[in-house]
Amino acid sequence: AQKVTQAQTEISVVEKEDVTLDCVYETRDTTYYLFWYKQPPSGELVFLIRRNSFDEQNEISGRYSWNFQKSTSSFNFTITASQVVDSAVYFCALRGGATNKLIFGTGTLLAVQP
Amino acid sequence: GAVVSQHPSRVICKSGTSVKIECRSLDFQATTMFWYRQFPKQSLMLMATSNEGSKATYEQGVEKDKFLINHASLTLSTLTVTSAHPEDSSFYICSAPKRDRGTDTQYFGPGTRLTVL
Repeated sequence: AQKVTQAQTEISVVEKEDVTLDCVYETRDTTYYLFWYKQPPSGELVFLIRRNSFDEQNEISGRYSWNFQKSTSSFNFTITASQVVDSAVYFCALRGGATNKLIFGTGTLLAVQP
Repeated sequence: GAVVSQHPSRVICKSGTSVKIECRSLDFQATTMFWYRQFPKQSLMLMATSNEGSKATYEQGVEKDKFLINHASLTLSTLTVTSAHPEDSSFYICSAPKRDRGTDTQYFGPGTRLTVL
């Protein structure tokens, strides 16, 4: 069975703090893909990143960085120097190699206070 | 990236009426699209996979006669909530996969907020 766990339901930080959102996944597939999406209050899901199971290189995009560790089945997301505009619900998702279906975590609500 | 649109963005209807929601991929073609439902402060739940030119595939527990899906073209899928009731009030989101660097990434529409009175 496939499962995504985001243990942090809500996180509140003050602007300019760094924050890490945790994501742990379960799958028996050898090929799989991991995603992060941002859902601001408007509701539209914004694609942030996709990571393939065979590529464990960490990635940085501006203030965003992702740490993929197969040994711990984790795909954590760090926002550096957070801003109020980062306030949103962030979803981690998993897709097996043979399907297009996404399995979503329960999401983490990030509130960045000015 | 890719652009997926949904229409309408918000609809309020009376109990017993039917509501149609459209999902369009604007800058790419999609042989499959996905329909999700999201209740307040909850995650997205996949309802069904819409297949162009064939029947949709529904997830367990989703009534196919209540949620009619039609994938009429490579850029359009519609979800019709038939005989809507207050418990059908929810945020409905569609997505379409776009191939990029050898595999698909799902891009989501802006969602449709349905309120059934």
